[in-house]
Amino acid sequence: DAGITQSPRHKVTETGTPVTLRCHQTENHRYMYWYRQDPGHGLRLIHYSYGVKDTDKGEVSDGYSVSRSKTEDFLLTLESATSSQTSVYFCAISGGQGAYGYTFGSGTRLTVV
Amino acid sequence: GNSVTQMEGPVTLSEEAFLTINCTYTATGYPSLFWYVQYPGEGLQLLLKATKADDKGSNKGFEATYRKETTSFHLEKGSVQVSDSAVYFCALMLNNAGNMLTFGGGTRLMVKP
Repeated sequence: DAGITQSPRHKVTETGTPVTLRCHQTENHRYMYWYRQDPGHGLRLIHYSYGVKDTDKGEVSDGYSVSRSKTEDFLLTLESATSSQTSVYFCAISGGQGAYGYTFGSGTRLTVV
Repeated sequence: GNSVTQMEGPVTLSEEAFLTINCTYTATGYPSLFWYVQYPGEGLQLLLKATKADDKGSNKGFEATYRKETTSFHLEKGSVQVSDSAVYFCALMLNNAGNMLTFGGGTRLMVKP
């Protein structure tokens, strides 16, 4: 297997509640990323990490926070979920520069009602 | 800035037809180029890549050539199968850009028997 897992795979939550999605890797890769995928928008980067406790914002970071306390785990938190955050969320990992590309998780389908 | 433009879909073909999905890019530098494929309900998988001009990436009968003069990386397959139905994403990565992938919007391919 690819060595990256996301949990949960599906979640339904109510508007205004906090939600945390987890990405776990067993590849010891340095870089980890959170994307959201929406019809008509393709993949958009939310946040990324380039090491333990080192994170930065992507293009659609408003309303999201992340944490990386261990190499293997990258958490995405929706502070107060809104209907506009209904989406499919993908985590990706990468071991280095240039030609390595990314390995993606299977995704989390989040519905905010 | 850096960007990737793909032809809009869906692309609908009959089995055994020839496939071309166009991809052009804009980059401040010399990127590595990738094609990813996403099957229904799954995450993205790396299909092929090329790291320098005139390189040809190939996998599973698909191929793409890095054309620096036309800033293109078109995906081709000589004879598509129903199982090739998926969404295809073109992407670029600059070696000096913090390992960031820039994605195109994706092109849905539908192959009919």
